[in-house]
Amino acid sequence: DIVMTQSPDSLAVSLGERATINCKSSQSVLYSSNNKNYLTWYQQKPGQPPKLLIYWASTRESGVPDRFSGSGSGTDFTLTISRLQAEDVAVYYCQQYYNSPYTFGQGTKLEIK
Amino acid sequence: QVQLQESGPGLVKPSETLSLTCTVSGGSISGYFWNWIRQPAGKGLEWIGRIYTGGSTNYNPSLKSRVTMSVDTSKNQFSLKLSSVTAADTATYYCARALEYGTDYWGQGTLVTVSS
Repeated sequence: DIVMTQSPDSLAVSLGERATINCKSSQSVLYSSNNKNYLTWYQQKPGQPPKLLIYWASTRESGVPDRFSGSGSGTDFTLTISRLQAEDVAVYYCQQYYNSPYTFGQGTKLEIK
Repeated sequence: QVQLQESGPGLVKPSETLSLTCTVSGGSISGYFWNWIRQPAGKGLEWIGRIYTGGSTNYNPSLKSRVTMSVDTSKNQFSLKLSSVTAADTATYYCARALEYGTDYWGQGTLVTVSS
């Protein structure tokens, strides 16, 4: 199985500041035939199911604010929230969609400082 | 707008079989993969497996010996059975639509508790 490791486990950022969450996979999730990274980011607020934010490492899902961005390739990925808003408080998960089983990171809890 | 709703018993006895059904509305179930994902209280997400409307399945090897998924396209439903449950299977179970690159539509989740 591909192991997904997120860092940090929790993060406190001031409103309007930048938040950065990292995700590392135990093997590359870059599919050479189409040059796409099968890495997806989700946001989960309390009492709600996860919400798809970013796929193929850097493609924003329709309707997701442009303050959310994803980057990285191969085994190292980053989710950045450029100007933190109160409604961004949540747990963020990365997931690899390269190989079954489609494993998740352990989650990063984002709070307001 | 596609909507998913999980249904099934909220309490299952140890060693018995957990059975859940997901009803899809607002769109056809055909032509997609459909996921089951679970989350113990206060913990992370675990992918259980997926089923294609043609019937092919992929299961998490950690659960494969106990998992069976099925689909009923006439009812726009798919189902999960997990046998020989223990307290470790207590979790919120989500059904969701699987795309090539991730999971876009999710049910609200249903809490299943394993207890005698």
